[in-house]
Amino acid sequence: KQEVTQIPAALSVPEGENLVLNCSFTDSAIYNLQWFRQDPGKGLTSLLLIQSSQREQTSGRLNASLDKSSGRSTLYIAASQPGDSATYLCAVGSASNQFYFGTGTSLTVIP
Amino acid sequence: DAGITQSPRHKVTETGTPVTLRCHQTENHRYMYWYRQDPGHGLRLIHYSYGVKDTDKGEVSDGYSVSRSKTEDFLLTLESATSSQTSVYFCAIRETSGPSYEQYFGPGTRLTVT
Repeated sequence: KQEVTQIPAALSVPEGENLVLNCSFTDSAIYNLQWFRQDPGKGLTSLLLIQSSQREQTSGRLNASLDKSSGRSTLYIAASQPGDSATYLCAVGSASNQFYFGTGTSLTVIP
Repeated sequence: DAGITQSPRHKVTETGTPVTLRCHQTENHRYMYWYRQDPGHGLRLIHYSYGVKDTDKGEVSDGYSVSRSKTEDFLLTLESATSSQTSVYFCAIRETSGPSYEQYFGPGTRLTVT
């Protein structure tokens, strides 16, 4: 069974700082990996998806990388803003059409 | 947002009663999923569907059943609700066209079993 871990569970940074969120998984036979953002009491918003054949994806200030051999993905957020405060979740997609989620990193950006 | 709605958005029910949650999508996606989200556990897959009348179990399927009689609706039923099923339930679809196969989520249903 795929196990997905996100460390740290919580992170607090001053506004303007660049930061990296981590996601690790135990089985490298993945189909894709997707990063989400979740605001308190809300649903999940898709940020980026990386196919298993890709190394990274970029969207605005966000850059996600994937290293299947080491079982790791990172989400890089440049020039953080208070509006980036949320919980960030990664989900690993398997060939069996199932997805496995980490427990998330709660990010607070301090003005 | 892939046109996903969930109903009801909030429900309080008593132990032992049956409960049905509905997920509705407007874009004819083949794959639909039900997850539950609990503190410390993240999102866990309950059941998923890969077409009308085609469903399969996820990692936490005990105590839940699902039905999909038409493409746009995926129903989750708690046959006899227990306090351990108090949770936030999310429905999701997965795209099957294009290269991405992204998941998109509904707004969630907060269920409390007293």
